[in-house]
Amino acid sequence: GNSVTQMEGPVTLSEEAFLTINCTYTATGYPSLFWYVQYPGEGLQLLLKATKADDKGSNKGFEATYRKETTSFHLEKGSVQVSDSAVYFCALAFTDKLIFGTGTRLQVFP
Amino acid sequence: KAGVTQTPRYLIKTRGQQVTLSCSPISGHRSVSWYQQTPGQGLQFLFEYFSETQRNKGNFPGRFSGRQFSNSRSEMNVSTLELGDSALYLCVSSPIPQRGVNTGELFFGEGSRLTVL
Repeated sequence: GNSVTQMEGPVTLSEEAFLTINCTYTATGYPSLFWYVQYPGEGLQLLLKATKADDKGSNKGFEATYRKETTSFHLEKGSVQVSDSAVYFCALAFTDKLIFGTGTRLQVFP
Repeated sequence: KAGVTQTPRYLIKTRGQQVTLSCSPISGHRSVSWYQQTPGQGLQFLFEYFSETQRNKGNFPGRFSGRQFSNSRSEMNVSTLELGDSALYLCVSSPIPQRGVNTGELFFGEGSRLTVL
């Protein structure tokens, strides 16, 4: 079936470090892919998206590329900030609903 | 424009009880979905309502039910609560179902945190 697998957290980094959060998916066809972010005490927000293979989504310094050959959509940021501390969810769109990964908590220390 | 409003924000129940959670979507939005968020499972889709009709349903037992009113406000109900029902229940609002999911532009509420003792 359709599913999303994310690396387990927490991911702990120092400020200005490079971030990668791995996400792979299993799906029939070529679904749209998303990264959502949940800051402490807030609802989920769309961070970025890609709707077809080789698309690169980007926002707030974060990037992810839709890789059909490896069925992956890894999230990257070149230099993280303390304010990036949150839970990040990878998701795919399937039959009018989103299928989410389990989330990866990122903790950034000064 | 006001965001998605969920009430109550926190509640504690005991096993066997039932609970009703409420969601007011963004004004003008007619689609409301519900997700259950737990640390181990992430977000699991419960159901989706559009124009007072359930359009989609996840793999949850019949103890979980919902409805939508003519003003698009939605409620979900969980009967005969179990310890495993402890979770954050998220309401998601979008103008119409297909557009929200295909673009990812869904509007999440802050959730109702249910603790079952």
